[in-house]
Amino acid sequence: QQQVKQSPQSLIVQKGGISIINCAYENTAFDYFPWYQQFPGKGPALLIAIRPDVSEKKEGRFTISFNKSAKQFSLHIMDSQPGDSATYFCAASSNFGNEKLTFGTGTRLTIIP
Amino acid sequence: AAGVIQSPRHLIKEKRETATLKCYPIPRHDTVYWYQQGPGQDPQFLISFYEKMQSDKGSIPDRFSAQQFSDYHSELNMSSLELGDSALYFCASSSRGEQPQHFGDGTRLSIL
Repeated sequence: QQQVKQSPQSLIVQKGGISIINCAYENTAFDYFPWYQQFPGKGPALLIAIRPDVSEKKEGRFTISFNKSAKQFSLHIMDSQPGDSATYFCAASSNFGNEKLTFGTGTRLTIIP
Repeated sequence: AAGVIQSPRHLIKEKRETATLKCYPIPRHDTVYWYQQGPGQDPQFLISFYEKMQSDKGSIPDRFSAQQFSDYHSELNMSSLELGDSALYFCASSSRGEQPQHFGDGTRLSIL
């Protein structure tokens, strides 16, 4: 049973476009929602994270939108670049991130010129 | 900045052998997490330690054990290896009360 559902499984976006990845969760005890970027042969690297007391957080070209009532959150990558091509995982944790991470199934993003 | 160090990076074993994976957390991090990532899958939580004590346990087989030492490094011991144990094993560390978890680059374990 996947506690964090992620879509789409794969995504192709043109350079300069907006990449959007969506996640939904069931466990209302989750209170910390990070996004990780993973390149082949590397460990996941934190991109941006949000807590449910805010509806949006922006860092550079990356924005998280959070809808607490719908239990959904999404990652927007503006002005997508070929270097953004990677696998993206949403995740969730409780106790303000001091517990294990539960990951979504991942989205393989490809940015084409 | 110092990152999480995992060793070895690659390990090849045969069925029924044993393996030991090591993780050196970021300095002053007191919490270590172990995750297993199968091909094309998301990382799955195995076990975690806080201040050298086991703090949580996930879907870790009984054939696996782990511990955190006085210098905060951690080791994942795997016995009676099976073909299905072939995966990437990641260690992550954090400082209690502070996010996020920082991941190492993993150990790729291949069982022949």
